[in-house]
Amino acid sequence: LAKTTQPISMDSYEGQEVNITCSHNNIATNDYITWYQQFPSQGPRFIIQGYKTKVTNEVASLFIPADRKSSTLSLPRVSLSDTAVYYCLVGDGYNQGGKLIFGQGTELSVKP
Amino acid sequence: DAGVIQSPRHEVTEMGQEVTLRCKPISGHNSLFWYRQTMMRGLELLIYFNNNVPIDDSGMPEDRFSAKMPNASFSTLKIQPSEPRDSAVYFCASKKGQSSYEQYFGPGTRLTVT
Repeated sequence: LAKTTQPISMDSYEGQEVNITCSHNNIATNDYITWYQQFPSQGPRFIIQGYKTKVTNEVASLFIPADRKSSTLSLPRVSLSDTAVYYCLVGDGYNQGGKLIFGQGTELSVKP
Repeated sequence: DAGVIQSPRHEVTEMGQEVTLRCKPISGHNSLFWYRQTMMRGLELLIYFNNNVPIDDSGMPEDRFSAKMPNASFSTLKIQPSEPRDSAVYFCASKKGQSSYEQYFGPGTRLTVT
């Protein structure tokens, strides 16, 4: 499973766009990039997943450059309720059965 | 859908006692995962099952830990004997489809061993 590196913490204000970048230099050809969100005292929650270019859903967008050695999770117009830890994970679902290895994550604090 | 159900939500026990954590995955999901989360070590994968069969238990810390999945709707994680360093939040998660990365986590069991 590819190792990921992301900032330990970030601060933002309500209404701003937040971009969290994750580095995964040794990503393999079959690896997908997945992001999870964890609120205090809750289990992690799946946000978004992608392989290349751009993926968008009702919660966030995921930008992946052509070399796939990094990815950026974009949260539009954050609110106080977006305060959480965000995890970037990389792996090969087909050969690894969807096994996830969580790193430290990025603790996002949204202020009024 | 009720989501993943875990019980108990909180458990306080004394060192040396046996602890059993329970999980009911989402109906129709064929993979189940047990995780442990602490401030020091973060979120660690302990073991996962696919179609009720243990696939990878390399994260189980030692022989004191054991997990079973007797059927598609129930799994247990047992610690015997428990030690203070086992204090953590234990999460169960389930998913559908072998290659999917979209896991659904339960609310967790907060275990305190004194």
